[in-house]
Amino acid sequence: KAGVTQTPRYLIKTRGQQVTLSCSPISGHRSVSWYQQTPGQGLQFLFEYFSETQRNKGNFPGRFSGRQFSNSRSEMNVSTLELGDSALYLCASSPGQGANLNYGYTFGSGTRLTVV
Amino acid sequence: AQKVTQAQTEISVVEKEDVTLDCVYETRDTTYYLFWYKQPPSGELVFLIRRNSFDEQNEISGRYSWNFQKSTSSFNFTITASQVVDSAVYFCALTPNSGYSTLTFGKGTMLLVSP
Repeated sequence: KAGVTQTPRYLIKTRGQQVTLSCSPISGHRSVSWYQQTPGQGLQFLFEYFSETQRNKGNFPGRFSGRQFSNSRSEMNVSTLELGDSALYLCASSPGQGANLNYGYTFGSGTRLTVV
Repeated sequence: AQKVTQAQTEISVVEKEDVTLDCVYETRDTTYYLFWYKQPPSGELVFLIRRNSFDEQNEISGRYSWNFQKSTSSFNFTITASQVVDSAVYFCALTPNSGYSTLTFGKGTMLLVSP
């Protein structure tokens, strides 16, 4: 069973640019969550998508957005990049509903974004 | 609001020592799940265990064991006979068992096991 795939693994962007990160969940999983990890703030929840709908959103500015496609793949976008957006962005996959609602979250290896 | 506290920022041990990683949580929910994840240098969060708040039995898996005490809101993780491969950052996390929820993570404990 393939795991959670995040692309790209590394990115270097300039302040003011925008970036799109991709996450392909485990086959059959319909929920995709995004987390930002920084040395100062630790792991923080960005948003969660289920069946192409955003179900939950963390406390991040509107520059951070996401979407989910019909095949459950998800993308997150950060516009007008700031130096503080430099972080490891992790995607988590889960079944998303029913008895396995909180069964567990399988994480990808992340995308390390550096803003210069 | 939920909160997870991992007071130990970094722990250094010598191989074969036992080590306990502490996790204390706060939640107003009556039912919830607790997790431990391991993050090696590669960055991926590796799932170790999930514990339902109803289940206070301790669990052992090989060299790993977990002590869940609801009375003290703690969910501690012990590695017996540590190995160099155990070196990683370990995260404790919490999610309420109410609808679809998100994980609240502690700040993590970096474990360094030297030969």
